[in-house]
Amino acid sequence: DGGITQSPKYLFRKEGQNVTLSCEQNLNHDAMYWYRQDPGQGLRLIYYSQIVNDFQKGDIAEGYSVSREKKESFPLTVTSAQKNPTAFYLCASSIVSGPSYEQYFGPGTRLTVT
Amino acid sequence: AQKVTQAQTEISVVEKEDVTLDCVYETRDTTYYLFWYKQPPSGELVFLIRRNSFDEQNEISGRYSWNFQKSTSSFNFTITASQVVDSAVYFCALSVPDYGGSQGNLIFGKGTKLSVKP
Repeated sequence: DGGITQSPKYLFRKEGQNVTLSCEQNLNHDAMYWYRQDPGQGLRLIYYSQIVNDFQKGDIAEGYSVSREKKESFPLTVTSAQKNPTAFYLCASSIVSGPSYEQYFGPGTRLTVT
Repeated sequence: AQKVTQAQTEISVVEKEDVTLDCVYETRDTTYYLFWYKQPPSGELVFLIRRNSFDEQNEISGRYSWNFQKSTSSFNFTITASQVVDSAVYFCALSVPDYGGSQGNLIFGKGTKLSVKP
């Protein structure tokens, strides 16, 4: 089955630690995205990548970093510089980057930092 | 500026009732795309529909229907004869060319939580 996998489903970290969230897709999509969702809020874009070895900051990139070394993978690192890292993180992909293409989402990772 | 407003934070209905979820958008672009996504309790967003700004025809898919009206900048979503499985958070989203220097980025509303009770 084609789709997007995110692991783990739940992640707990101590404040001050960096943590990397995994996102893998086997849809052969060029574009990938990371969103953050807070309770009662819509999704906000953290980073996106239109193609391998390229990525761009979204609306709330501060305190996050990404890499795109392979088409299938787009890991997100939440650094200690992120002031409010506790949130639900969703990864998505689309065939290519463009306003007419729907994005497909993974199941998400719920990160709790204490 | 681009913006999506879903004024209804939560809606509760009894099974078999019809329910309409409102979505109002703002953009100065003449070309844009509107989306609806469903987020069940499991967390994954599920794509429901995409419309472009040049096609105002309403769409029906089973118990789901969408009403796109450019005159009021609205893209409302109606569920007919609701079922318990329809319980979820529903997001409306907007995408315009060349937003923030790139294409394809979605601007989401805050979502409407729908609870369908048996």
